[in-house]
Amino acid sequence: DAKTTQPPSMDCAEGRAANLPCNHSTISGNEYVYWYRQIHSQGPQYIIHGLKNNETNEMASLIITEDRKSSTLILPHATLRDTAVYYCIVRPTGDDKIIFGKGTRLHILP
Amino acid sequence: GAGVSQSPSNKVTEKGKDVELRCDPISGHTALYWYRQRLGQGLEFLIYFQGNSAPDKSGLPSDRFSAERTGESVSTLTIQRTQQEDSAVYLCASSLAGGRANYGYTFGSGTRLTVV
Repeated sequence: DAKTTQPPSMDCAEGRAANLPCNHSTISGNEYVYWYRQIHSQGPQYIIHGLKNNETNEMASLIITEDRKSSTLILPHATLRDTAVYYCIVRPTGDDKIIFGKGTRLHILP
Repeated sequence: GAGVSQSPSNKVTEKGKDVELRCDPISGHTALYWYRQRLGQGLEFLIYFQGNSAPDKSGLPSDRFSAERTGESVSTLTIQRTQQEDSAVYLCASSLAGGRANYGYTFGSGTRLTVV
């Protein structure tokens, strides 16, 4: 079972920052938070992952709360091409399987 | 290759026939995963291979489904006696290593299977 809770859908205006929340209140100390996205008719794409510290790469930033019970994925300047389903996943280091939940369907509005 | 390659990209088959789907992982990726995605649904985990270890088959929905992988190369997913409910996109992913190395997966574009 997926161990995360995400809103089913969100809208964001083009050019603005998209902030996608994720609750993972039962996360364990050895579990990482991963984010993937799936653009229509494509396979999922890895975005970013983190354990405790905030992370940033060329695609996004990941903000993890101090108690690690929730996180936020930030797309700093959303474009129409960012319209996708975004999946937040927790994954222990000793387990390779990723179990996908329902994700958040992000609509970028022109 | 540069990415995960899956073939065929589309497959239409008659109910009751067997089908074989192929996945070519990224060279050097020791871990390989198969998922299924029905229309409008999320991804269902099917099976996972890591090196020469016994595969994790916990997601296979029935004994009509099987998969093989030789070493760290190509994998084939076989569905015997296909049923209409098998219609879905079958996605393959690979990663550098499993478990203790925290790498993301790279997915292929999938095989769209339609059982008529």
